[in-house]
Amino acid sequence: QQPVQSPQAVILREGEDAVINCSSSKALYSVHWYRQKHGEAPVFLMILLKGGEQKGHEKISASFNEKKQQSSLYLTASQLSYSGTYFCGTELVGSGNTGKLIFGQGTTLQVKP
Amino acid sequence: GAGVSQSPSNKVTEKGKDVELRCDPISGHTALYWYRQSLGQGLEFLIYFQGNSAPDKSGLPSDRFSAERTGGSVSTLTIQRTQQEDSAVYLCASSPPNYNEQFFGPGTRLTVL
Repeated sequence: QQPVQSPQAVILREGEDAVINCSSSKALYSVHWYRQKHGEAPVFLMILLKGGEQKGHEKISASFNEKKQQSSLYLTASQLSYSGTYFCGTELVGSGNTGKLIFGQGTTLQVKP
Repeated sequence: GAGVSQSPSNKVTEKGKDVELRCDPISGHTALYWYRQSLGQGLEFLIYFQGNSAPDKSGLPSDRFSAERTGGSVSTLTIQRTQQEDSAVYLCASSPPNYNEQFFGPGTRLTVL
């Protein structure tokens, strides 16, 4: 039931782009993306809802393929501040729009100067 | 404004003792979630509250774990007869009625000796 994230880790230079993928075996109602810096709480980045609605931050984009139950997070022109662990949280169809999220295992992103 | 707060920030206890972890959500947030994060791992869903009721307790690992929420606000997660495998960071999050963004607290780091 836990979504699978790939890659597990990625190292970038400033200015480079990255894509983080999240894949579920269950039908999804929504996908949420969070970033967690070491020793800190996760911070909301984006939500993608079934039907195409998206809400999130300007410099981060994402896609949600409802048929494949997959989501991708696109980080463009990466900055040092993008470093951290990225988690996707999936809300299953039939969960009753409760916001109950099942999180992936995380993708660690390190941006170097 | 004030964010989600949790107390204590750190708790060291001996195996077999009971512990209580507290979460103060953002005022007006109707939904409250408890997660557990073991070292280097993702976020594991424990329980979810809508108001004072807990429609989904499916993530509680055993009957040693319980939680309550009073006045639609403060929540307490209780772990009885703690075991070493209970050692983790326990995160609380709250969400406004649209269930879109979850705001996380700083967590309680629990160490069971």
